[in-house]
Amino acid sequence: DQQVKQNSPSLSVQEGRISILNCDYTNSMFDYFLWYKKYPAEGPTFLISISSIKDKNEDGRFTVFLNKSAKHLSLHIVPSQPGDSAVYFCAASGRGSSNTGKLIFGQGTTLQVKP
Amino acid sequence: EAEVAQSPRYKITEKSQAVAFWCDPISGHATLYWYRQILGQGPELLVQFQDESVVDDSQLPKDRFSAERLKGVDSTLKIQPAELGDSAMYLCASSLGDPRGGTQYFGPGTRLTVL
Repeated sequence: DQQVKQNSPSLSVQEGRISILNCDYTNSMFDYFLWYKKYPAEGPTFLISISSIKDKNEDGRFTVFLNKSAKHLSLHIVPSQPGDSAVYFCAASGRGSSNTGKLIFGQGTTLQVKP
Repeated sequence: EAEVAQSPRYKITEKSQAVAFWCDPISGHATLYWYRQILGQGPELLVQFQDESVVDDSQLPKDRFSAERLKGVDSTLKIQPAELGDSAMYLCASSLGDPRGGTQYFGPGTRLTVL
């Protein structure tokens, strides 16, 4: 059972435009969400996070939106740059007596930003 | 900037052989995680340590995998014997504080190929 889903395997945008990456989750116990970026042959790099008490968090060109009722979050990159081309992973962790901070990752979305 | 160190970066082995991976977390990070990432999928947790204690090893194939963090600092993940299906990227991550310390920081990973 895939608790965190990124339904778009790939996305291509023009430099300077907005990139929107989407993520859906099924477990209502998740209360902390993160986005990671991964280049080939490297480990994931933390980008931005959001707690379930918020619906938006912004850091420079990156903004994450959380819609708890829809169990959906999105990452907006504005403006997109060629260096943003990478695989983006959505991850979640949650409450519960057995919660250990374990992250559940989506399958990833490959973003290509064309010059 | 402090980083998670992993070695080796690449490992090629034949099936039935033993392999070991090493991880040195960011200094002061009490929580250490080992993840496995199969190509085209997101990372999946294998084992989590809080200091030297195992917090979660529910997804670790214990018949062939073992992990230790004897002094609560660096950690070793071992596979014996390796199987063809073990070919993957093995990622180590660390976080500050208790198991729900929030952001996990990843190392560069070890790419394992089993022939």
